[in-house]
Amino acid sequence: QVQLVQSGAEVKKPGTSVKVSCKASGYTFINYYIHWVRQAPGQGLEWMGIINPSGGSTNYTQKLQGRVTMTRDTSTSTVYMELSSLRSEDTAVYYCARALAAAGCFWGQGTLVTVSS
Amino acid sequence: DIQMTQSPSILSASVGDRVTITCRASQSISSWLAWYQQKPGKAPKLLIYKASSFESGVPSRFSGSGSGTQFTLTISSLQPDDFATYYCQHYDTYPWTFGQGTKVEIK
Repeated sequence: QVQLVQSGAEVKKPGTSVKVSCKASGYTFINYYIHWVRQAPGQGLEWMGIINPSGGSTNYTQKLQGRVTMTRDTSTSTVYMELSSLRSEDTAVYYCARALAAAGCFWGQGTLVTVSS
Repeated sequence: DIQMTQSPSILSASVGDRVTITCRASQSISSWLAWYQQKPGKAPKLLIYKASSFESGVPSRFSGSGSGTQFTLTISSLQPDDFATYYCQHYDTYPWTFGQGTKVEIK
């Protein structure tokens, strides 16, 4: 069965970076784009960007341009999202999702990232 | 960026009620619109894509309609499992954006 398993919760200090992983299984990894979406506590959903696992091409929301990097490792069917220069407003649950807004959409379980001094 | 505006923000309803949530795009997005349901502490779940197409396994009481800039999600007869927050999302051009959400609560 399709699974997207994300790495565990993180606590980071302002100004540092965090790297969240999303390991896919149960389907052909390169056949589906992976999106990252985040949700601050008590807030709505924010689309962060997308990566094509086949070629590695990406598209990021302008708001995070320069701070977010999405990469993939086809040998382990894993996608990574790294966010740098963390600030308190980056405290959120980060989700990876396969085939967002399409048939067969599947989400990871979410990773809580807390930014606190 | 295309802005998505949902109304209402909070909707109080009873089991069996017909419920309608509206989503408006700041510019035409054709039919490139999806609807999600989210329960507390859980990842969102896709209900509808391409404005009116059902994701597999979604109960038939859910339906979506609209095109251009105006869209609706309708629940024909609200069930206890439907009390949740609903989000619309466009995928016309990058960046994809979500509406602010509509919380359906028990009246």
